[in-house]
Amino acid sequence: SYVVTHPPSVSVAPGKTARITCGGNDIGSKSVHWYQQRPGQAPVLVIYYDGDRPSGIPERFSGSNSGNTATLTISRVEAGDEADYYCQVWDSSSDHWVFGGGTKLTVL
Amino acid sequence: QITLKESGPTLVKPTQTLTLTCTFSGFSLSTTGVGVGWIRQPPGKALEWVALIYWNDDKRYSPSLKSRLTITKDTSKNQVVITMTNMDPVDTATYFCAHRPKAYDAFDIWGQGTLVTVSS
Repeated sequence: SYVVTHPPSVSVAPGKTARITCGGNDIGSKSVHWYQQRPGQAPVLVIYYDGDRPSGIPERFSGSNSGNTATLTISRVEAGDEADYYCQVWDSSSDHWVFGGGTKLTVL
Repeated sequence: QITLKESGPTLVKPTQTLTLTCTFSGFSLSTTGVGVGWIRQPPGKALEWVALIYWNDDKRYSPSLKSRLTITKDTSKNQVVITMTNMDPVDTATYFCAHRPKAYDAFDIWGQGTLVTVSS
């Protein structure tokens, strides 16, 4: 089955840009979705279809996807962005949903 | 406004069967393309997709759990039920149900989750 991988952690200073990656074989050919999960809360969809934002998600959140890497970019990072971030793809060959292992974003 | 809420036991014994119910509002599971999924998260660990049921009663299961799972829907009650047999302590997790919109294969609205502990 399809596997996606995350770096376990990313640290960034407030006001700077955070980039969280999601790796997978030819992931650029798939649609990647991103979730934010704050401690003790349910996940929230922040990016769908590689780079689209649901309503209510700040423009500071953006996404890209090419080759073997998808990237979630958070600009002008705030303390409230500290959370775990998960990428997710739909594996069309098996009609299954796959989540990455998550990246913990720490705001210094 | 779409909302979902999970309900069921908080504690089950090893080998027992777990039954969880997702009660939702704000959408119909008879709308073409819509689905409801279950995702779980062991304490301190990552999200794991478990199962999904589509508007047309088509069902998908995680390969690693398939032999133990059954997912059903009751459109008139706006509920989705999942059963997992032969529970083990490693199945201890928060179980979320979530809405899969017709436009894309992600989960745009999630329930609050329910923690299920498997212990004798």
